[in-house]
Amino acid sequence: DARVTQTPRHKVTEMGQEVTMRCQPILGHNTVFWYRQTMMQGLELLAYFRNRAPLDDSGMPKDRFSAEMPDATLATLKIQPSEPRDSAVYFCASGRSTTPGLNEKLFFGSGTQLSVL
Amino acid sequence: EDQVTQSPEALRLQEGESSSLNCSYTVSGLRGLFWYRQDPGKGPEFLFTLYSAGEEKEKERLKATLTKKESFLHITAPKPEDSATYLCAVQAWNDMRFGAGTRLTVKP
Repeated sequence: DARVTQTPRHKVTEMGQEVTMRCQPILGHNTVFWYRQTMMQGLELLAYFRNRAPLDDSGMPKDRFSAEMPDATLATLKIQPSEPRDSAVYFCASGRSTTPGLNEKLFFGSGTQLSVL
Repeated sequence: EDQVTQSPEALRLQEGESSSLNCSYTVSGLRGLFWYRQDPGKGPEFLFTLYSAGEEKEKERLKATLTKKESFLHITAPKPEDSATYLCAVQAWNDMRFGAGTRLTVKP
């Protein structure tokens, strides 16, 4: 079965360090979403790409977070410098969009559990 | 601002005890409402998409319905394996916003 692959599954780092999370979307999907999930906030949308172009990153702290899609098979989310409040599970999801602004169902990866000490 | 509110936050049922989960939303230009199931330690898994008021979808013991302001996920005669967190998400332009979820526990 096709699936979204996220690496690493777990990451423990110290405050101030750079963190890079990677996502391989399902082949043929043209949209990628990054979400952060915490007990307090639930699933928060961080960034959204369509055909590799960033369309919405308004949910992302701009001073420390960045999201890119260097090619159709790789999406990255970077945090620099990391802070303890960034501790959460980060999910990547991919899907198909045949019409701008309209997305079909999303397929989620297993997430990256990030702990910043 | 677009909002998605799910209730209740948690629901405990006995096996076979039917109930409903609610998802109310305020969105400018709804382009779809999605239901997902999330098991502990995993990413959400797609269940249903609803596009217009009056639409219904069914899958096994689950049925999703949609009105202009809310959606319900009806669970008929639930089993312990239905225990999970159920999330709804609304799609507006270039946005897929999730509710906080309902954590369902079904006791045997």
